[in-house]
Amino acid sequence: SQKIEQNSEALNIQEGKTATLTCNYTNYSPAYLQWYRQDPGRGPVFLLLIRENEKEKRKERLKVTFDTTLKQSLFHITASQPADSATYLCALDQTGANNLFFGTGTRLTVIP
Amino acid sequence: DTAVSQTPKYLVTQMGNDKSIKCEQNLGHDTMYWYKQDSKKFLKIMFSYNNKELIINETVPNRFSPKSPDKAHLNLHINSLELGDSAVYFCASSSQRDTQYFGPGTRLTVL
Repeated sequence: SQKIEQNSEALNIQEGKTATLTCNYTNYSPAYLQWYRQDPGRGPVFLLLIRENEKEKRKERLKVTFDTTLKQSLFHITASQPADSATYLCALDQTGANNLFFGTGTRLTVIP
Repeated sequence: DTAVSQTPKYLVTQMGNDKSIKCEQNLGHDTMYWYKQDSKKFLKIMFSYNNKELIINETVPNRFSPKSPDKAHLNLHINSLELGDSAVYFCASSSQRDTQYFGPGTRLTVL
């Protein structure tokens, strides 16, 4: 069966450290992989998109890697801040037509 | 200006009723979506519409029907509401092969 699993339901990290979130998938062959942030009571907000032929993408303190052999994406937040506390969702696009299948989400808490 | 808006924000209703949730986007996007987020926060695609055509429908009961009067609107109609329909429903929109912009969500509670 198809699955998209994010490493842990919750992750606590000390302010200033690098947070690393994992997204593993089975029985998918995504053309794109996206990461979203969701705050309580709000809709998800897009952060980064990485294509199957790209290994790494960066945006300010954010970095995403994509390993199609391992069927895994890693999402890093460097120099984490309490304001980074939120739920982070990975989403797969199988065909490039932007039909997204979301992972289970990881709730990140950055402790001051 | 709000990019993707949904009404109502909260909807409390009795089992068996019929209800609608409205969604509007002012981004000029050509595709709109409906997602359901359950109590465990799992976000699942229900429908997407591209140029007034339904292009995916992920095992959603036929009590749910999307209606798109024009490219800027995609409303969700739900007939004969059941307890299990309680969830947060999100509308989203996108241009082709671009990221999706989500609305603020509608929390539906079926009593």
